[in-house]
Amino acid sequence: QKEVEQDPGPLSVPEGAIVSLNCTYSNSAFQYFMWYRQYSRKGPELLMYTYSSGNKEDGRFTAQVDKSSKYISLFIRDSQPSDSATYLCAMSSFSGGYNKLIFGAGTRLAVHP
Amino acid sequence: GAVVSQHPSWVICKSGTSVKIECRSLDFQATTMFWYRQFPKQSLMLMATSNEGSKATYEQGVEKDKFLINHASLTLSTLTVTSAHPEDSSFYICSAPKVYGYTFGSGTRLTVV
Repeated sequence: QKEVEQDPGPLSVPEGAIVSLNCTYSNSAFQYFMWYRQYSRKGPELLMYTYSSGNKEDGRFTAQVDKSSKYISLFIRDSQPSDSATYLCAMSSFSGGYNKLIFGAGTRLAVHP
Repeated sequence: GAVVSQHPSWVICKSGTSVKIECRSLDFQATTMFWYRQFPKQSLMLMATSNEGSKATYEQGVEKDKFLINHASLTLSTLTVTSAHPEDSSFYICSAPKVYGYTFGSGTRLTVV
């Protein structure tokens, strides 16, 4: 079993739709949770960073963490064609230094006009 | 802030030659740099972690003599793919931790012919 599970999609939605992306994880030591957006042949770009259960909102994006269920989500409201990309969840534990990120497989999202 | 500049963005080399990829932290000091490899439509796989002034830590299965990592200063980390072969063709990305989350370089697409 992978430490982080993420449905690779692809996910195709019409412009304006609400998109829900999810990841589950098995390691209870994970404390930091991130969502990255990656356009084709580019490096990942940080969208959201959270470290506690609950919701965090930034513009059209909302990140949700449920540590009891080991489940995280990213919601995109009013999706735009420019949101078409691969979305990667990532998480890490803390041991006093900089810990490596464990990534999900990435979900490919296509928003069509 | 916290920008990592990665060069080159793409490179084509002949089989048997070596290729060096550079990652520079432009506006901060990166004591740690993570190096990833990404195959098409797959997630990022951590290859190694470099720390300034010390030897890199390689993930299981990564040949340290083939993928040479140098982190001689707080602003520069390099990955050299030695005696490259077509199976080394991939997308290589560096990443450095910042206050919240991690910042990634733009990636290097290596093609070995």
